[in-house]
Amino acid sequence: DIQLTQSPSFLSASVGDRVTITCRASQGISSFLAWYQQKPGKAPKLLIYAASNLQSGVPSRFSGSGSGTVFTLTISSLQPGDFATYYCQQVDSFPLTFGGGTKVDIK
Amino acid sequence: DVQLIQSGVEVKKPGEPLEISCKGSGYTFRNYWIGWVRQTPEKGLEWMGTISPGDSDTRYSLSFQGQVTISADKSINTVYLQWTSLKASDSGMYFCGKHLGMKASLDPFDFWGQGTLVAVSS
Repeated sequence: DIQLTQSPSFLSASVGDRVTITCRASQGISSFLAWYQQKPGKAPKLLIYAASNLQSGVPSRFSGSGSGTVFTLTISSLQPGDFATYYCQQVDSFPLTFGGGTKVDIK
Repeated sequence: DVQLIQSGVEVKKPGEPLEISCKGSGYTFRNYWIGWVRQTPEKGLEWMGTISPGDSDTRYSLSFQGQVTISADKSINTVYLQWTSLKASDSGMYFCGKHLGMKASLDPFDFWGQGTLVAVSS
């Protein structure tokens, strides 16, 4: 199985901050990576697919990059609604796997 | 609008059977694979398996194969997740999700159900 390791697990930030989350895959997955945002009591929401493609309706302050084994999700200017937990997911091969999550909290 | 509506909260005892459902609307149901994902505090998000509603072709995670059955009834746009004998360790939140691309199973989930909480306790 492909393991995904996210860092950091937790980060504290302020509105307006630039935030970067990293996801490392245990083997190369080309660009077959997605990012999700999840708020408490809600289902995850797709933000980015194919490593860098912005899902329809997602604000442009979210961006993704990377290929192979290292990927990043960047929020260019953190907004109040962005305080949530973020997950990466690989869709290169079965079983589909998720990272452990990064919780973004208010500083 | 695309929607996935899941069945409600379940409180069960170990050994009991259970079936939960996920009904899709707002798109051509048979053309998009639907997956199930479990979420627990201990293990986070775990993909369980994915089915093509059009022909019921199914892929399972080895961690869940033999423990659950995923099925579909395309006539009523519904996918199911079934257990024959629940264990306490089956407790968790279960989400269904529609895969992004048409007829693609190796794809992220672009729409999700609201989740079904399953609590198994004696």
